[in-house]
Amino acid sequence: DVAMTQSPLSLPVTLGQPASISCRSSQRLVYSDGNTYLTWFHQRPGQSPRRLIYQVSNRDSGVPDRFSGSGSGTDFTLKISRVEAEDVGVYYCIQHSLWPWTFGQGTKVEIK
Amino acid sequence: EVQLVESGGGLVQPGGSLRLSCAVSGFTVTKYDMIWVRQAPGKRLEWVCFISGSSGATYCVDSVKGRFIISADTAKNSLYLQMNSLRDKDSALYYCARGAGTNWGQGTLVTVSS
Repeated sequence: DVAMTQSPLSLPVTLGQPASISCRSSQRLVYSDGNTYLTWFHQRPGQSPRRLIYQVSNRDSGVPDRFSGSGSGTDFTLKISRVEAEDVGVYYCIQHSLWPWTFGQGTKVEIK
Repeated sequence: EVQLVESGGGLVQPGGSLRLSCAVSGFTVTKYDMIWVRQAPGKRLEWVCFISGSSGATYCVDSVKGRFIISADTAKNSLYLQMNSLRDKDSALYYCARGAGTNWGQGTLVTVSS
């Protein structure tokens, strides 16, 4: 199975400051169609996950442009350019290029 | 508007069965890839099963293979997860989602305990 390792697991941030979350896979995530199926979700306490970024760097409709995704191969990053109060919660990466699909452990973002 | 509403969770004894349902609106469930994802209290998300909208092919994580079956019904526009031989470790909040998580339901809680 592909292991997805996120870091850090806990991320205290100051409002208005940038934040960055790493997601590393144990295998390259390029699918046979040439695409890399690496997705980022945000889950607020008591809520269902919400997709933010798909295929590494494509932002979903309605997602603020302060969120960006990047990376390739086995190293991927989610960046928040300026953290706002509504950004608290847990962020997960998932790979769905290879079976079984696997999630990272989650990164908890909180305001300092 | 796309909506997914799960139901069917509850308390069941080890070895028992449950059938989860996910009623979908705003799209035809059998025309899209669909998944079940679970989350034990305080734990990470875990992908459980997938059904292809194009071929009907299904895939499940090894820990549930032979025990869980994912299916979809066009007439009822619903996704299902038949869960048999349930174990303590299957206790979790179960979500249905479209594709690889484009849209999610609110989840239904499954508790396996004697």
